[in-house]
Amino acid sequence: NAGVMQNPRHLVRRRGQEARLRCSPMKGHSHVYWYRQLPEEGLKFMVYLQKENIIDESGMPKERFSAEFPKEGPSILRIQQVVRGDSAAYFCASSPSGGGADTQYFGPGTRLTVL
Amino acid sequence: GQSLEQPSEVTAVEGAIVQINCTYQTSGFYGLSWYQQHDGGAPTFLSYNALDGLEETGRFSSFLSRSDSYGYLLLQELQMKDSASYFCAVFNDYKLSFGAGTTVTVRA
Repeated sequence: NAGVMQNPRHLVRRRGQEARLRCSPMKGHSHVYWYRQLPEEGLKFMVYLQKENIIDESGMPKERFSAEFPKEGPSILRIQQVVRGDSAAYFCASSPSGGGADTQYFGPGTRLTVL
Repeated sequence: GQSLEQPSEVTAVEGAIVQINCTYQTSGFYGLSWYQQHDGGAPTFLSYNALDGLEETGRFSSFLSRSDSYGYLLLQELQMKDSASYFCAVFNDYKLSFGAGTTVTVRA
């Protein structure tokens, strides 16, 4: 059973470009969460999605950031017009259902570097 | 909002016991989780406490006191491979709120 998959693992963008980060949840998982980790810090919640629905995007910046989890295909975190402050590791996690004591399984992360 | 405090780093020798404390202030609380992360890799789930008391899983144990808003992770019989960052995280409904992490360095 494959774990959570993220690609690309490393992404380099110049300021002003767009970054697209992909996350494929574990088989049978329909809930996806995105977290951001700055160096020497813990992970910060960004957004929680179910298939075709954004449940909670309270941790996501209001501008330039968007997320989706279509009926088919991976979840996408999209960052438009990237700035240097967007450089971070972005982790995706999935769970079979939301709420309660479900364990969230994390992917290997995408390390975004903005030049 | 959520606020979690844990020590920034701990150093110990192989075979020793290390306790990582975590105190939290939160507007909602289902339970306390612990994650291990090696060199910025994927956080790996270690344990989850929803009720007061001690949970033991092999060499690792986790404790929770809801009345004190306090928990700890106990690492026993330390091995070199245990050198990593350890994060406590409050689980609230579906959202994990992480502490800044404790870097554990195991020396020979």
